[in-house]
Amino acid sequence: GAVVSQHPSRVICKSGTSVKIECRSLDFQATTMFWYRQFPKQSLMLMATSNEGSKATYEQGVEKDKFLINHASLTLSTLTVTSAHPEDSSFYICSAFGTSWNQETQYFGPGTRLLVL
Amino acid sequence: SQKIEQNSEALNIQEGKTATLTCNYTNYSPAYLQWYRQDPGRGPVFLLLIRENEKEKRKERLKVTFDTTLKQSLFHITASQPADSATYLCALSLGTGANNLFFGTGTRLTVIP
Repeated sequence: GAVVSQHPSRVICKSGTSVKIECRSLDFQATTMFWYRQFPKQSLMLMATSNEGSKATYEQGVEKDKFLINHASLTLSTLTVTSAHPEDSSFYICSAFGTSWNQETQYFGPGTRLLVL
Repeated sequence: SQKIEQNSEALNIQEGKTATLTCNYTNYSPAYLQWYRQDPGRGPVFLLLIRENEKEKRKERLKVTFDTTLKQSLFHITASQPADSATYLCALSLGTGANNLFFGTGTRLTVIP
């Protein structure tokens, strides 16, 4: 149980375009989803936390108008990178937490590799 | 400032030996400490969680200790296998799974056949 999927797994886009990444909890209801970013040889850095049906809470230094997060249902959250630039190239990972499953930890998706040319 | 340090960036050990990874933290008071495994190009996979009032936890070949006085956790893999080769991340949280996780930079373990 506790499977989290992400789509797409890899995306290449031109500078200035927008990219949407989906995160789904497949076998449990995720009341909270988290979005992380990981640069090469660095650890995961939390970007934002979203609770179903409410606005996301962004970490300091993360532009909310650039990284749009929507958590419209208990099984789906989306991250849209707007007007992407090469410095946005990174590995984006979501995680999900649900009160109906293990309440002590988060379960991570497989990640999405974004490359902005 | 707050820091989570994993003592070595890389660790090589011989198959069959016990791997010991260290996680030290400063200026945190975590309620939980967790260990994850991350393979290249993949998301972290949850391994073990230990609470602040627990000293040790085991799961199959894995053992975690948590010393809140030393502000340190040790992660052991006994009878290591080449398939255990991966990056291992420690993460702190101030509460249950709905709370933010703060990650260390990871230790890349290579088990040599």
